[in-house]
Amino acid sequence: DAGVTQSPTHLIKTRGQQVTLRCSPKSGHDTVSWYQQALGQGPQFIFQYYEEEERQRGNFPDRFSGHQFPNYSSELNVNALLLGDSALYLCASSTDRGRLRGNIQYFGAGTRLSVL
Amino acid sequence: QQPVQSPQAVILREGEDAVINCSSSKALYSVHWYRQKHGEAPVFLMILLKGGEQKGHEKISASFNEKKQQSSLYLTASQLSYSGTYFCGTESERGSTLGRLYFGRGTQLTVWP
Repeated sequence: DAGVTQSPTHLIKTRGQQVTLRCSPKSGHDTVSWYQQALGQGPQFIFQYYEEEERQRGNFPDRFSGHQFPNYSSELNVNALLLGDSALYLCASSTDRGRLRGNIQYFGAGTRLSVL
Repeated sequence: QQPVQSPQAVILREGEDAVINCSSSKALYSVHWYRQKHGEAPVFLMILLKGGEQKGHEKISASFNEKKQQSSLYLTASQLSYSGTYFCGTESERGSTLGRLYFGRGTQLTVWP
C-alpha cells in the first residue's frame, strides 16, 4: 500500500518564477492538506482540499493556490516566488469520514524548494 | 493558535525516559503527535481526542488534560531509534477548522548509546 507521495523531491527556482508541486494521497484517502515547514520550525497549514474544492485556508497570500483532481491527487502552485518561500512543502492526506473522530493525517516526505 | 512545546531539546542515554509537553491557549478537540527525522516525512505516533479516546503506537503513551488544554508524550526506556524532532499538532474545537492542525516548534530528542 503506497503512502503519500510527493514530487519533485527538490526544486531550485529564482525569484519571480512560478512553481507547481504535486501530491498523491494514501490509498483510500480523499482529503489533502498542504503545509509549509521552514527550517527549524513546525509545519504551517496552507490549505486543505476535499471534493476538488478548497475547504480551509491558512494565513497565506493568494500567490499560493491549489487544485485537487477527481482521483484525489493535488497540486500546490506558488506564483511570483520570494526568497522567503524557501522551505519544505509537505502534503498530508486523510479521510473525510474520519474528520469527526480524530483526523489522522499521514505526511509525504515533502518537496524541498529553494528560491535564489 | 500555535501550541507551545517544552523542552526545546532533550539529550538522553539509551534506556532513559523523557516527557515532552504541549500547551495551547485555545480549546482543543484533539492533539496529534508526530516524530520527524532529518530529511524525512513526519511520522504519526498518537492522537488523543477530547473525551478520552486514543489511537496510536503501542510503545508510546500520552495524556491529554482537557481542562488545561495540555498534552504530554511519554517516552520510556528510550532507544536510539527514538531520536528525532517531536511535534505536537493541535486541532481546534471550532467546527469550521476541524482537520486543520496547528503545530508547535518541535522538541529535538537525541538518544546516545
